[in-house]
Amino acid sequence: DVKVTQSSRYLVKRTGEKVFLECVQDMDHENMFWYRQDPGLGLRLIYFSYDVKMKEKGDIPEGYSVSREKKERFSLILESASTNQTSMYLCASSLRQGGYEQYFGPGTRLTVT
Amino acid sequence: AQSVTQPDIHITVSEGASLELRCNYSYGATPYLFWYVQSPGQGLQLLLKYFSGDTLVQGIKGFEAEFKRSQSSFNLRKPSVHWSDAAEYFCAVGARTNAGKSTFGDGTTLTVKP
Repeated sequence: DVKVTQSSRYLVKRTGEKVFLECVQDMDHENMFWYRQDPGLGLRLIYFSYDVKMKEKGDIPEGYSVSREKKERFSLILESASTNQTSMYLCASSLRQGGYEQYFGPGTRLTVT
Repeated sequence: AQSVTQPDIHITVSEGASLELRCNYSYGATPYLFWYVQSPGQGLQLLLKYFSGDTLVQGIKGFEAEFKRSQSSFNLRKPSVHWSDAAEYFCAVGARTNAGKSTFGDGTTLTVKP
C-alpha cells in the first residue's frame, strides 16, 4: 500500500518566517508534486519533481521553492511566508510514466498570521 | 494543453438516490482520466481511472464512470448514494506524453440528505 506522509497536519506561522513542508513517500515513485488547494480554485500545481534534484515549475511557483535530495522526500519551502499563502497544501507521488494515478498525503493546513 | 471542467460546484441528493457528477475535458488525443474523492480534512483518494479499452469503468465504493469520446465527457455515477459518500469529488485528466502530471477540475461537493 502506497503511503504518502506530510510532516504536519496543521501549522501556524508568522508573516516573514521561512516555512518548510516535508513530504515522504514509501513506494519508490519517481514523480512527486506539491499542490495548494483553496475553496473554489481546486488543486493548483506549485512544483513537480520527476527525479532526485530535478524540478519543474507548476502553475503557481511564485513565493515557493522546492528541494528533492532523496527520491522519497520532497520539501516545499516558503522563503518568506505571507498571509496570501494561507492554504491547504497537498503532496502527491506517482510513477513516472504518463497515465498513472497520483497518491496523496493527508495535507497540511498552513495559516500565516 | 489539457483542461477539465466540472460544471456543478455543489450537488445535493437524498440517501438512496442515484448520483451523476459531470466532467468534461479538453485534450487533443485520448487522455487518461481519473476521479478522486476527498473527505473533509483528508487528501485525495483514487476512485477509478480510464486508460483505454472498455469505456465503462468500475471503481471502489460502488462508483462507475463512462468515457464518451464524442462528448469529451467522463461522468461519474452511483446507483444508490450512502451518507458516507458526502465529500468533494475531483475529475482529472492526464496526457499520455506529460510524464505523470494531471490537470484537476475545481471539484464538486456532494451533500447527502437523510
